[in-house]
This record gives sequence, structure tokens and C-alpha cells, in this order.
Amino acid sequence: AQSVTQLDSHVSVSEGTPVLLRCNYSSSYSPSLFWYVQHPNKGLQLLLKYTSAATLVKGINGFEAEFKKSETSFHLTKPSAHMSDAAEYFCVVSDRTGTASKLTFGTGTRLQVTL
Amino acid sequence: DVKVTQSSRYLVKRTGEKVFLECVQDMDHENMFWYRQDPGLGLRLIYFSYDVKMKEKGDIPEGYSVSREKKERFSLILESASTNQTSMYLCASSLWAGGYGSNQPQHFGDGTRLSIL
Repeated sequence: AQSVTQLDSHVSVSEGTPVLLRCNYSSSYSPSLFWYVQHPNKGLQLLLKYTSAATLVKGINGFEAEFKKSETSFHLTKPSAHMSDAAEYFCVVSDRTGTASKLTFGTGTRLQVTL
Repeated sequence: DVKVTQSSRYLVKRTGEKVFLECVQDMDHENMFWYRQDPGLGLRLIYFSYDVKMKEKGDIPEGYSVSREKKERFSLILESASTNQTSMYLCASSLWAGGYGSNQPQHFGDGTRLSIL
């Protein structure tokens, strides 16, 4: 069985400072991993995905994540936060055995960005 | 860009009613999904479909059913709505990628916020 743990339910940063959102996963197989973002009253938007190619994955809006197999982690980072980054972020692991890409979601990290 | 459209953004229904939530995608995706999202619980999979007329139960199918008569449309049905089904419902779609579709991202609609009174 697979699982995802987002280590912080809430993170607050000042605009212009770095962002770190932490995610640990558990999977019996070589996982596919994703980060999604959800702005208020909107659906989820894909930020980036890891699928066993490069371990450092670049996504949209300046975000990136590094896959570390030894630490079973997939933390999301951004060098400089912007007010528009305030949203909820979900780390997601994928089941590789099915005919459809079934996803297991973390419980989310709410990012607050202050002036 | 993939467009996943959910028919209602907000819906208010009464207990015992039969409720239909509709979802349409425009990218010819084989897979479609229904989730519910509740605070502190993340997203939980209710049902998914990998082809027309095919469906599989997700993690929390009790009290729900689904219908997929056309490839682009996936409906979620609450047979007899109850107050514990008050939630945000999200529909998603993805490509099928051979036997292992796990590296295909899912594309989400904006959600339907359903209140059962």
C-alpha cells in the first residue's frame, strides 16, 4: 500500500523568502510523484511530476522538487515566495499497477505568504 | 489545455433526494475519477472509470454510484443523499498509458460544493 505524509499542515513565509513544503512517501514500487496546487474555490492544478527520470524536477511558477529515494522524500521548494503562491499544496503518490493512474493524496499544506 | 467541466459550482439538496453531479472532459481521456475533499482529510477517491460503461470502486464508494455512457461524460449519483455527504466533489480525467498509467497526471475540474440539508 502506498501513502503520503505532508509534514506541515500550515506554513507561513514572508514575500521574497524561500518556500519549503515537506513530503514523505511510502510505496511498494518505484513511485510516480506529483505536487498539485489548489487556489481557493478552484480545482487542483498540476505543479510538477516525477516519473523516474531526473531526480530534480522543475515545475511551473518557479517551483521545483527533489526526489530522494534514500529519504523517501519529495519536498517542494521555491527560492522566492510571491503573494500569488498563497494556496493549498498537495503531495501525491501514484499506484503503478493499475490500468488507471490511481492517486493517493496527502492531507495538504496551506501556504500563507505575508508582506 | 485540458478542460474538465463540472456542471454546478454550488448545489443545495435535501436528505433523501437523489443527486446527480455531472462532469465533462474535452480531451478524449480514457480515465475519469470522482473524489470528495474534506478539511484535514485531503482527497479521497469515490469511483473511477477507465472506459465507457466500465467502473471501479475507489476508497469510499458507499452511498454513491456512477455512470459513464459516453467517453467524455462521467456522472456521480448520490442515491439517497445524507448530511454526511456534504462536501466538495472534484472530477478529474487522465490519459491511459498502456498497462501502467501511473505517470499520467490527472486534470481536475473546479469542483462542486454540495450541501445536504
